[in-house]
Formats: sequence, C-alpha cells, structure tokens
Amino acid sequence: AQSVTQLDSHVSVSEGTPVLLRCNYSSSYSPSLFWYVQHPNKGLQLLLKYTSAATLVKGINGFEAEFKKSETSFHLTKPSAHMSDAAEYFCVAMEYGNKLVFGAGTILRVKS
Amino acid sequence: DAGVTQSPTHLIKTRGQQVTLRCSPKSGHDTVSWYQQALGQGPQFIFQYYEEEERQRGNFPDRFSGHQFPNYSSELNVNALLLGDSALYLCASSLDRNTGELFFGEGSRLTVL
Repeated sequence: AQSVTQLDSHVSVSEGTPVLLRCNYSSSYSPSLFWYVQHPNKGLQLLLKYTSAATLVKGINGFEAEFKKSETSFHLTKPSAHMSDAAEYFCVAMEYGNKLVFGAGTILRVKS
Repeated sequence: DAGVTQSPTHLIKTRGQQVTLRCSPKSGHDTVSWYQQALGQGPQFIFQYYEEEERQRGNFPDRFSGHQFPNYSSELNVNALLLGDSALYLCASSLDRNTGELFFGEGSRLTVL
C-alpha cells in the first residue's frame, strides 16, 4: 500500500520569500503523486501531478515539485510566496482507480 | 458550470442516529468518491461509485454505505453514529477513473454528540 509522509505540520514564511513543503513517499513502484491545496472553507484543489513523464512538474499559481526516486521525495516549492498562498497543502499518492492516499497536511502561513 | 455540490453543509446528530449526506458531481463527471477528514488530519478514502456500483472501498466499517443514482449524484449513509464519526465528509468527482484528478466539494461537517 502507498503512504506519504509530510515532514512539517506547519511552515511559516515571509511574503516574497521561497516556499518549501516536504513530502516523502513509500512505494514499491513509481507512484502517481499529487499536491492538493485546501483554502479555508474551500474545496480541495489540485495543484500539480507527477505521472513519470518528467521529474520536474509545474503546477498552478507558480508552484512546482520535483520527483526524486533516489530520495523517495516529492517536495513542493515556489520561488516567492504570496499572501494568497496561505492554506493547507496535502501531498497525495494514488492507488489503483483514483483511490487517493493523503498525507497529514502542512499548514502554510505567509507573513507580511 | 457548477462544481461539486454537497448538502447539508453542517449538521449535528447524537450517538446511535443515522445520517445521509448528498453530493452532486461536476457536470459530465460519472465517478464519485467519498472521503472522511477528521480534524487535523488528511482525508481518508471511504469508497468510490461508478455506474451505480461501489467499485472500491477503504478501511471503513459496514455502517458506512452509499448509493449512486442514474444522474451520477450520490449519497453517503452512516448508521449507528459514534462520537468518532465527527468529521468533514468530502465528496469528489472525476471524469476518468485512473488519473487522480479529482474535483472536491466543500464538504459536509458532521458533529456527533
């Protein structure tokens, strides 16, 4: 079975500084991996997905993630944080047939 | 184009009662999944419906059941409610059953007293 571990429950950055949200996965094969974002009182939204076509994946709102098989990692980054990025971010692995396995989440706080 | 809509948004029940949550998928989507998100945790997969049948199920007891209607809308039923069933219940729809690209509703927050 797939599992994902988000290494930080909370991350705080200043507006305009880089964002790094860390995720490790556990799988016996190359998984399909995703990052979803959950803004307060909003539905979960897909940020980006990795499906083995390219190791560096670009998503919406300037986010990107790099798949590193040797480190079993799929960290989410953004060069410059914006106030609107404050939300909870979930690293997700997919098992067969759209069954998603979510990490525990990382709450991103952006300070002005 | 309306996205995934869920009702009710909030509800309070007492232990032992039964609850029904409803979901309308995004237009054109034929697959509906349900997730339970306890406070401070990531969502957990309950089950998935396609062509009016349960296709996959997570590690949830039989007290959790569902249904999908011909118009693709879906219901989640929970019987004999326990305090631990208090959570945000999320419905997600998709056009394809193997892309991981799900569209989520805002959820139904259930409180069990």
